[in-house]
Amino acid sequence: DAGITQSPRHKVTETGTPVTLRCHQTENHRYMYWYRQDPGHGLRLIHYSYGVKDTDKGEVSDGYSVSRSKTEDFLLTLESATSSQTSVYFCAISAGSEAFFGQGTRLTVV
Amino acid sequence: SQQGEEDPQALSIQEGENATMNCSYKTSINNLQWYRQNSGRGLVHLILIRSNEREKHSGRLRVTLDTSKKSSSLLITASRAADTASYFCATGSSGGYQKVTFGTGTKLQVIP
Repeated sequence: DAGITQSPRHKVTETGTPVTLRCHQTENHRYMYWYRQDPGHGLRLIHYSYGVKDTDKGEVSDGYSVSRSKTEDFLLTLESATSSQTSVYFCAISAGSEAFFGQGTRLTVV
Repeated sequence: SQQGEEDPQALSIQEGENATMNCSYKTSINNLQWYRQNSGRGLVHLILIRSNEREKHSGRLRVTLDTSKKSSSLLITASRAADTASYFCATGSSGGYQKVTFGTGTKLQVIP
């Protein structure tokens, strides 16, 4: 999986609690992305980063924030989790026109 | 908003047969990519075709692109049980990978 590690792989959390997902890469790529995957929607971009401390919003950014303090780490935070944020979350890095994906984090908000 | 729509949504074939999946999109693109996703895993890049190309091959994969019809097809020849996965098309425009939009996927089952 191209040196991308997501943690945790599975998480169950309660509505209203904060949650942070971590993506770690060993490839030293500048661009990193967070997607969510839901049935019937394919992958949708939440946020992306184009460098340390440089981030921007994607298609479905409401309710999510990100931080990138080091090249290798990109964090996705749900400030106050809601049931609509139950999903599988994927981190990706890109090299040119191709992307490499992590194995995903399955998040359930109850 | 979704750019690519795959067809069919699900496909079941016997091992050794060919599998064809189609992708239609709405706006002009710079390139189109196909990805495979095995159950419980991340997406794996298969092949990229640029807007000025009509056909591309990679091993048992053949991709065509018809920009006039805004459609692409992925052909997997001599399918194997290991090809069982979901296949996604992703369309890219100029402006970086953050502009890539994924379709909803075709779930392929290859029966041994």
